[in-house]
Amino acid sequence: DAKTTQPTSMDCAEGRAANLPCNHSTISGNEYVYWYRQIHSQGPQYIIHGLKNNETNEMASLIITEDRKSSTLILPHATLRDTAVYYCIVRVQAGGTSYGKLTFGQGTILTVHP
Amino acid sequence: DGGITQSPKYLFRKEGQNVTLSCEQNLNHDAMYWYRQDPGQGLRLIYYSQIVNDFQKGDIAEGYSVSREKKESFPLTVTSAQKNPTAFYLCASRVGGLYTDTQYFGPGTRLTVL
Repeated sequence: DAKTTQPTSMDCAEGRAANLPCNHSTISGNEYVYWYRQIHSQGPQYIIHGLKNNETNEMASLIITEDRKSSTLILPHATLRDTAVYYCIVRVQAGGTSYGKLTFGQGTILTVHP
Repeated sequence: DGGITQSPKYLFRKEGQNVTLSCEQNLNHDAMYWYRQDPGQGLRLIYYSQIVNDFQKGDIAEGYSVSREKKESFPLTVTSAQKNPTAFYLCASRVGGLYTDTQYFGPGTRLTVL
């Protein structure tokens, strides 16, 4: 799976959009970009994923650059409950010799303040 | 209400004792995983199972054992052979498909060896 690089920490004011970047310059054509987050002392939570098109769901939007070497997770209206560690993961779909293992790096600590 | 449950939430054991962590899911997922998380670190894969009665070692399987006798259940035993068992343990299950490969995590069990 491709390696990712994320900023160690970011701050965001409550009610504003939080834009979390991720670099994955070695991504392969069949690798997806996944985002998870982990609130303190809880299990990770799936947020969104995409291959090359931008994606949106009820939690967030995912913007992937045309060359797929980087992406941005957007939380449109951050709340205090969005304070968490956000992980960007690049991986192929599970199947064949890939058994679905998720490799979590250090992630970005997002702090939403009033 | 579908999901993954882990019990207990906190567990204390004395050195030299084996202990079993429970993981149950009612999501009808075939694949299940056990991860370990140490303070300030990402997740590391201990064991995984893609189907009932089959399981494979992950990256740090030494000192751990699992069973998968039922689709819903994937218990993890931390044996006395595990040198540093104090950690946060996370169980996950995976929904697979052509366009999605998302893992859902339980709330975790925090194991402390006294």
